Amino acid sequence: DAKTTQPTSMDCAEGRAANLPCNHSTISGNEYVYWYRQIHSQGPQYIIHGLKNNETNEMASLIITEDRKSSTLILPHATLRDTAVYYCIVRPAYSGAGSYQLTFGKGTKLSVIP
Amino acid sequence: NAGVTQTPKFQVLKTGQSMTLQCAQDMNHNSMYWYRQDPGMGLRLIYYSASEGTTDKGEVPNGYNVSRLNKREFSLRLESAAPSQTSVYFCASSELVWGGPLLNTEAFFGQGTRLTVV
Repeated sequence: DAKTTQPTSMDCAEGRAANLPCNHSTISGNEYVYWYRQIHSQGPQYIIHGLKNNETNEMASLIITEDRKSSTLILPHATLRDTAVYYCIVRPAYSGAGSYQLTFGKGTKLSVIP
Repeated sequence: NAGVTQTPKFQVLKTGQSMTLQCAQDMNHNSMYWYRQDPGMGLRLIYYSASEGTTDKGEVPNGYNVSRLNKREFSLRLESAAPSQTSVYFCASSELVWGGPLLNTEAFFGQGTRLTVV
């Protein structure tokens, strides 16, 4: 069972905002939404995570809908270095059996176009 | 800080050979993980170690063994390599406490070991 659904690929013009959607309609109340990205087969890199409130850090913003069934990762000014595969992951908020792993789907391949 | 360091970066094995992939982290994290990534796929968890002295199977443990040597080091061993184990292997670490809240628990990944079994 896939816990998240993401588009396979997206393009974004350099300098514009990249909005990456993720559906997680079966998310439960004690599960976080995490975003990671993987640049050119390097190790994945953490971007941001949230529970129900919108979150912002130096890399990105995370907008979670009120019903928590979907979210959007926003890269405000995409650069060529943001070209990567972006993974949306749902994860329990408390440690315990099954909560340690990050379950990676196939993610969204974002191509930033000059 | 080096973060998570994996050795070797590349390896070619013949079917039936054995080898150990090494991983070390310098962030004093208690949890460590081994993932594999096949072409065009997401990462899949092989084994994890929630804390020093404990290891548990992940999604795809068959054909692998692990050792949590100490808090810093977590190794992955292939006893008899098979072509199906051709993959990129990633080690990761994070700060997690069993039974505690998973707050600010980002995982840090190494740069990967590219393994080909012929």
